[in-house]
Amino acid sequence: KAGVTQTPRYLIKTRGQQVTLSCSPISGHRSVSWYQQTPGQGLQFLFEYFSETQRNKGNFPGRFSGRQFSNSRSEMNVSTLELGDSALYLCASSFPTGVTDTQYFGPGTRLTVL
Amino acid sequence: GQQLNQSPQSMFIQEGEDVSMNCTSSSIFNTWLWYKQDPGEGPVLLIALYKAGELTSNGRLTAQFGITRKDSFLNISASIPSDVGIYFCAGQRSSGGGADGLTFGKGTHLIIQP
Repeated sequence: KAGVTQTPRYLIKTRGQQVTLSCSPISGHRSVSWYQQTPGQGLQFLFEYFSETQRNKGNFPGRFSGRQFSNSRSEMNVSTLELGDSALYLCASSFPTGVTDTQYFGPGTRLTVL
Repeated sequence: GQQLNQSPQSMFIQEGEDVSMNCTSSSIFNTWLWYKQDPGEGPVLLIALYKAGELTSNGRLTAQFGITRKDSFLNISASIPSDVGIYFCAGQRSSGGGADGLTFGKGTHLIIQP
């Protein structure tokens, strides 16, 4: 079974631009979660989508948004990029049972904001 | 956001030695997970724990879900060079809306000296 795939793997943008990242979950997985990883803050939860609906949200500004399509693929968008948005953005998929939600991560998209 | 207290921050050990790391939290979690991350890659799931007191092994790795549900440890026996990397603990709560996003520790950087 193929793992979680993320595209692109690397991205360079300038301040003020917007960016869209893509995630394809493991086949059969219906939940997709997004995380931001930085050296200073570590791994932090952005949001989770299940059945095309945002079900959980972390503590990030509204510039960070996402969506999920009917095939469970997900996109994450960051508008008005800031230097501090430079990070590794990780996507994780799971087949949630309602109580347990074992998440499997993709390789990430490395975003650099200049 | 909240993070788990993971220790030690780094470990310098000799090949063949056993390794022990742990995570503590002021809050209760329903699930504890341990991941390993290599440079430039996403975290890879090592062990998932779903019940308080549960002790689970995966090859040379053993992890336990603390009885209080506020802590977990990971042991690696007879370390080998490919064990080098950053190990993360992650906790997850469940609610009526499904499982929450993962809360991560800051990581334990394992370095093996030949």
